[in-house]
Amino acid sequence: SQTIHQWPATLVQPVGSPLSLECTVEGTSNPNLYWYRQAAGRGLQLLFYSVGIGQISSEVPQNLSASRPQDRQFILSSKKLLLSDSGFYLCAWTLVQQAQYFGPGTRLTVL
Amino acid sequence: KQEVTQIPAALSVPEGENLVLNCSFTDSAIYNLQWFRQDPGKGLTSLLLIQSSQREQTSGRLNASLDKSSGRSTLYIAASQPGDSATYLCAVSPAPSGSARQLTFGSGTQLTVLP
Repeated sequence: SQTIHQWPATLVQPVGSPLSLECTVEGTSNPNLYWYRQAAGRGLQLLFYSVGIGQISSEVPQNLSASRPQDRQFILSSKKLLLSDSGFYLCAWTLVQQAQYFGPGTRLTVL
Repeated sequence: KQEVTQIPAALSVPEGENLVLNCSFTDSAIYNLQWFRQDPGKGLTSLLLIQSSQREQTSGRLNASLDKSSGRSTLYIAASQPGDSATYLCAVSPAPSGSARQLTFGSGTQLTVLP
């Protein structure tokens, strides 16, 4: 069966520090991968998606970036965090014509 | 641009009651619709997926219907239990225009089932 992992589960970082969140999927090949952010009291915002290794599409201009170095690995990064980057970050995967499945999330607090 | 609305934003019911959650979307050209459950501080759990050609899907006490032409979906929960308390989200996927299948989410309905 397929599983999706995210780490770390929680993170507290100072403003201006770098960020690296990792997502890995097991049990499938060539998935579409997604990064979402859920801010307090707000809905899910799609940040990036990827249909293959090295293929990244950005939905929202910001100081975040994403990379897909391997088929089942998706990384969300920032060189300098802002206060507004605080939120709950969710990774998800899907195959064509199938449901989208989410990871457990990473709670990021920027102080 | 697709917009998804969920009403009500919050709902509180006594245990054992049957209930309906509503989801509406503005663009009927969808590929599928998915219902999720989110517990506080957790990721989303997929409940039901309805393809655009389908009318409904059932899983246990859950039944989701889809009326694509009117831009509506409902999630019916039978015999509600306190463990059903969570936020329920619906999301639609656009008709094929690529392989990315980005979802557009509603803002959710926060359900509380009182014992």
